[in-house]
Amino acid sequence: TQLLEQSPQFLSIQEGENLTVYCNSSSVFSSLQWYRQEPGEGPVLLVTVVTGGEVKKLKRLTFQFGDARKDSSLHITAAQPGDTGLYLCAGSMNRDDKIIFGKGTRLHILP
Amino acid sequence: NAGVTQTPKFQVLKTGQSMTLQCAQDMNHNSMYWYRQDPGMGLRLIYYSASEGTTDKGEVPNGYNVSRLNKREFSLRLESAAPSQTSVYFCASSFPVSNQPQHFGDGTRLSIL
Repeated sequence: TQLLEQSPQFLSIQEGENLTVYCNSSSVFSSLQWYRQEPGEGPVLLVTVVTGGEVKKLKRLTFQFGDARKDSSLHITAAQPGDTGLYLCAGSMNRDDKIIFGKGTRLHILP
Repeated sequence: NAGVTQTPKFQVLKTGQSMTLQCAQDMNHNSMYWYRQDPGMGLRLIYYSASEGTTDKGEVPNGYNVSRLNKREFSLRLESAAPSQTSVYFCASSFPVSNQPQHFGDGTRLSIL
């Protein structure tokens, strides 16, 4: 059973379009993290959200943690080819627990 | 500031051979992790070490052993490699609290023939 479900699995859109990817669970998480991974490299942390309803912005990326702390979304405005990569969500159910990763959304922005 | 360093970057083994993947971090992190990443499977935790001197099994520990040599180094050993262990292996480190970021190395690409 996958505790963190990410959707869509793949997304290919034109440069300049907006997009949203999702990370969902039936369990409550104490915190969720989003990572981006580029080919041949390890994942790199983008953001951590810890409070239900929290919204964080990182330039054109907006991250939201659901009110019930069971889901999160990543919205990209005016996507650019440099946004291409694998986006992973990860979370822990308790503060001292190890982190669980979703399977990721592979995003491809066409120039 | 190197972060997390993994060696080797690439390796090809024959079935039944053994090898050790090395990982070192220079961020004074207590916790270290070994993951494997396979297409469509995401990152799966093999073993982790919450602190020097302790190790625990993750989701997919069978066929692997680990050693937390000191605070900096955490190695992963395949005693008798099998084709099912063909994967990309990532080492990561973090402070022990779960909402702290994990810092990843660039991976070891391992093929078992």
